[in-house]
Amino acid sequence: AQSVTQPDIHITVSEGASLELRCNYSYGATPYLFWYVQSPGQGLQLLLKYFSGDTLVQGIKGFEAEFKRSQSSFNLRKPSVHWSDAAEYFCAGTTSGTYKYIFGTGTRLKVLA
Amino acid sequence: NAGVMQNPRHLVRRRGQEARLRCSPMKGHSHVYWYRQLPEEGLKFMVYLQKENIIDESGMPKERFSAEFPKEGPSILRIQQVVRGDSAAYFCASSPPDLSTGELFFGEGSRLTVL
Repeated sequence: AQSVTQPDIHITVSEGASLELRCNYSYGATPYLFWYVQSPGQGLQLLLKYFSGDTLVQGIKGFEAEFKRSQSSFNLRKPSVHWSDAAEYFCAGTTSGTYKYIFGTGTRLKVLA
Repeated sequence: NAGVMQNPRHLVRRRGQEARLRCSPMKGHSHVYWYRQLPEEGLKFMVYLQKENIIDESGMPKERFSAEFPKEGPSILRIQQVVRGDSAAYFCASSPPDLSTGELFFGEGSRLTVL
């Protein structure tokens, strides 16, 4: 069955430290993958997306993600976290021509001053 | 260039009442999707609609929930006789007819609280 898994429910980092949020997927074919951020009480903002091609994807707010087929992963990274990055992060996947996104359960990021 | 518009942003209902959530897709988008986010969970697909047609409602609860996307006006998600378990954030998304990129554009959500 298709699935998207985010193994970490909560992550705490200090401001200025690097960040990596994990996402693993299970799809028969290469999926389209997305990372969204959701601040409390807000909607989803797309950080970046992977469709094909270059496996290192750059997004907004200094985020990047790397698609690794061998590990079935699409981890989100940021070299230096800012206090405003505290939010919940969702990884999602779908396949070409479909609309049923499968979302991970989210990782809540806390940033220490 | 307005995005996906949802209203109300927050809705409070007592058990047994009806909830109506509205969604206007982005300009030029004719496909609408509803997702539900239960507390502490990710979003889950509910229904996919095009104008005047329900394409896929495989994620909708069998009872009390219905959705429409009329020829004119917004898409509406209707929940009859709400129960506490319906408390959630309901997100609408839209896309252009071409789904080759698989990208959906999400609204800010409607948060339903059932007392």
